Amino acid sequence: GESVGLHLPTLSVQEGDNSIINCAYSNSASDYFIWYKQESGKGPQFIIDIRSNMDKRQGQRVTVLLNKTVKHLSLQIAATQPGDSAVYFCAERRTSYGKLTFGQGTILTVHP
Amino acid sequence: DGGITQSPKYLFRKEGQNVTLSCEQNLNHDAMYWYRQDPGQGLRLIYYSQIVNDFQKGDIAEGYSVSREKKESFPLTVTSAQKNPTAFYLCASSAKSSYNEQFFGPGTRLTVL
Repeated sequence: GESVGLHLPTLSVQEGDNSIINCAYSNSASDYFIWYKQESGKGPQFIIDIRSNMDKRQGQRVTVLLNKTVKHLSLQIAATQPGDSAVYFCAERRTSYGKLTFGQGTILTVHP
Repeated sequence: DGGITQSPKYLFRKEGQNVTLSCEQNLNHDAMYWYRQDPGQGLRLIYYSQIVNDFQKGDIAEGYSVSREKKESFPLTVTSAQKNPTAFYLCASSAKSSYNEQFFGPGTRLTVL
């Protein structure tokens, strides 16, 4: 069925390195792709989104890349810090309403 | 402070009992959502509401019920018909102009004994 999923469940990096978190999606009809960060015991927080007609979007220390040819989404975090340690979820939105479909999540661990 | 509150943080119930989870927001958002999160999994949508007095089923609505009588409140009832109610429940809200950016509450961890 239609789904949003992740290649790697865990990612460990050293402080200061760049991190790349990947996500595969199956529905080409999605209008938006979104990244959320969830710290332990808390609700998710919005990071960045990208419209389906874009290839790249940059935020503060983060970049999202969208490759529609292979239905792949990635989140790049520059100069990763220990505070970036969290679970990262990709999500997609297909309708004019706010219904999001979330992927499984990737655990990012940043070592000092 | 503007935000979303969920109460209580931890909730224990006996099997067969209905339980209502509270969600309140003072962000003046029109849309509100309920998600369920199980260990090692993503969020799954239970119900959502775009406007007061209206709501739609999400992907896993069976065994749950909601109401949206006020803009700021969207309580979720976990009924005895829900087969596996033990989970982490998250409430969220968003503005009409920014559906991608949902603001989440701290969650309620429900344990059914």
